[in-house]
Order: sequence, then C-alpha cells, then structure tokens
Amino acid sequence: AQSVTQLDSQVPVFEEAPVELRCNYSSSVSVYLFWYVQYPNQGLQLLLKYLSGSTLVESINGFEAEFNKSQTSFHLRKPSVHISDTAEYFCAVSADNSGNTPLVFGKGTRLSVIA
Amino acid sequence: ETGVTQSPTHLIKTRGQQVTLRCSSQSGHNTVSWYQQALGQGPQFIFQYYREEENGRGNFPPRFSGLQFPNYSSELNVNALELDDSALYLCASSNGPFYEQYFGPGTRLTVT
Repeated sequence: AQSVTQLDSQVPVFEEAPVELRCNYSSSVSVYLFWYVQYPNQGLQLLLKYLSGSTLVESINGFEAEFNKSQTSFHLRKPSVHISDTAEYFCAVSADNSGNTPLVFGKGTRLSVIA
Repeated sequence: ETGVTQSPTHLIKTRGQQVTLRCSSQSGHNTVSWYQQALGQGPQFIFQYYREEENGRGNFPPRFSGLQFPNYSSELNVNALELDDSALYLCASSNGPFYEQYFGPGTRLTVT
C-alpha cells in the first residue's frame, strides 16, 4: 500500500521569498506523483505531475517539483511566491496509471504568504 | 466546456439520517470518483464509478453507497449518519478510471 507524508502542516513565508513544501512517499512499486492546490472554498486543482521521464516537472505558474527515487521524495518549490499562492497544497501518489489504483493523499500543507 | 459541479454546496443533517450528494461530471468524462476530506486531512478515496459500475472502493463501510447514471453523473448516498461523517465530500471526474481527475468544489456536510 502507498502512503504520503507531508512534513509541514503550515508554512508561512514572506512575499517574493522562496518556498519548499516537502513530500515523502512510501510504496513498494513504481509510483506516479502529483501536487494539487486547494484555494479557500474550492475543489482541488492539479498543479503538476510526475509520470515518467524527466524527474523535474514544472507548472505554468512557476512551481516545480523533483522526483527523487532514492529519497522517496517529491518536494514542491517556488523561487519567489506571491500573495495569490496562499492555499492548501496536497501531495498525492498513485501506484500505477493503468486505471486500477486510486490517489492517496497526504494531509496537506497550508502555505501562507505574508505581504 | 462545463466543469465538475456538485450539489448541494452545504448540508446539515442529524445523526442517524440519510443523505444524498450529487455530482455532474465534466463533459466527455465517463468516470466519477468520490473522496471524503475531513477537517485538517487530505482527501480519502471512497469509491469510483466507471460506466455505471463500481470500479474500486476505499476503506469505507457499506452505508456509503453510490450510483452512476447513463449521462455519467453520480450520487453518493450515506445512511445512518454519524458525527464523524462531517466532512467535505469531493467528486472528481476523468476520461477513464484514475486518469487525470478534475475535482468539483465539494459539498460540505455537517452532522449534528
């Protein structure tokens, strides 16, 4: 079975500062990894995903995450955050892309960007 | 293109009652997954429906049941509500089982 650990429940950061949200996973098989963002009173939006290929994946709004198999990590980073990045971020893992396993989510990290 | 919609937005029920939540999938999507998100937790998979059949279930008791209709919309039914059922219920649709999922805004259920 897969599991996801998000090491920080809350991360406050000043505007324009860099941020890293940590995610570690546990799985005995190959995995697919995702980051979702949840703005207040909204559903989840896919931010980025790792399925295969390059271990560094990027989103259109400046976030990036790197798959590290040896450390079983998929940390999310942004070099300069904006007030609008304030949200809850969820890391998720799926054991395969064959259509047979659901997403397993971490407990989330609340990113608060301070002006 | 219409996204995933859910109704109602909020709901308050009493312990022991039954509730039905509804989800309309995104146009062209044939799969609906339901998740429960308790306060301060990540979403937990309840079950998935693909072409009107249940296609996987998480660790939830049988009083959580569902349906998918020919137009691929879906219902989540919960019987004998308990206080711990208070949560945000999220629906996600996809173009195939466990392909990229698109989430609705959720239904917040409060059980008193």
